[in-house]
Amino acid sequence: KAGVTQTPRYLIKTRGQQVTLSCSPISGHRSVSWYQQTPGQGLQFLFEYFSETQRNKGNFPGRFSGRQFSNSRSEMNVSTLELGDSALYLCASLIGTGQGRSEQFFGPGTRLTVL
Amino acid sequence: GNSVTQMEGPVTLSEEAFLTINCTYTATGYPSLFWYVQYPGEGLQLLLKATKADDKGSNKGFEATYRKETTSFHLEKGSVQVSDSAVYFCALSSGNTGKLIFGQGTTLQVKP
Repeated sequence: KAGVTQTPRYLIKTRGQQVTLSCSPISGHRSVSWYQQTPGQGLQFLFEYFSETQRNKGNFPGRFSGRQFSNSRSEMNVSTLELGDSALYLCASLIGTGQGRSEQFFGPGTRLTVL
Repeated sequence: GNSVTQMEGPVTLSEEAFLTINCTYTATGYPSLFWYVQYPGEGLQLLLKATKADDKGSNKGFEATYRKETTSFHLEKGSVQVSDSAVYFCALSSGNTGKLIFGQGTTLQVKP
């Protein structure tokens, strides 16, 4: 079974630009969660998508948004980038329902650097 | 709100030493508890989990027991190897949501 795929693996952007990151979950999984990892704040939950609907949202500004497609692939977008958005962005794949909802399988992450 | 507290690192051990990484949590209800491991340059790998009180999760020689009375989920391994060097994260999920709350991570360095 293929794992979680995230593209691109590395990105360099400048302040004010926007960026889109992509995540393909494990086949058969219907839910995707996104996390931001920084040295200062650690791992923080961004949002969760299930069946193309946002089901949970973390405490991030509206510049951070996401969506999910009918094939369960998900994208997250960050607009008007700030230096503080530099982070490793991790996507997690979940079965999505029942007891398995909380068990998450992570991709390798996208390293975003904002200059 | 829900939170997870881990012992601060880094933890430096010699090969074959006994490992304990402490983790305590605050949560309403009955959370599921997890340990994840992150190797340099990689994402998180699920190491083990426990979904109810007194459950013991185990994998690759690592163990952790869900202790509701002490709200703890300490990670242990009897004999560490150099290849166990990584960052370890304790996490909880409450209410069967897709949101994990993580501790700050503990860096483990094992020397030959």
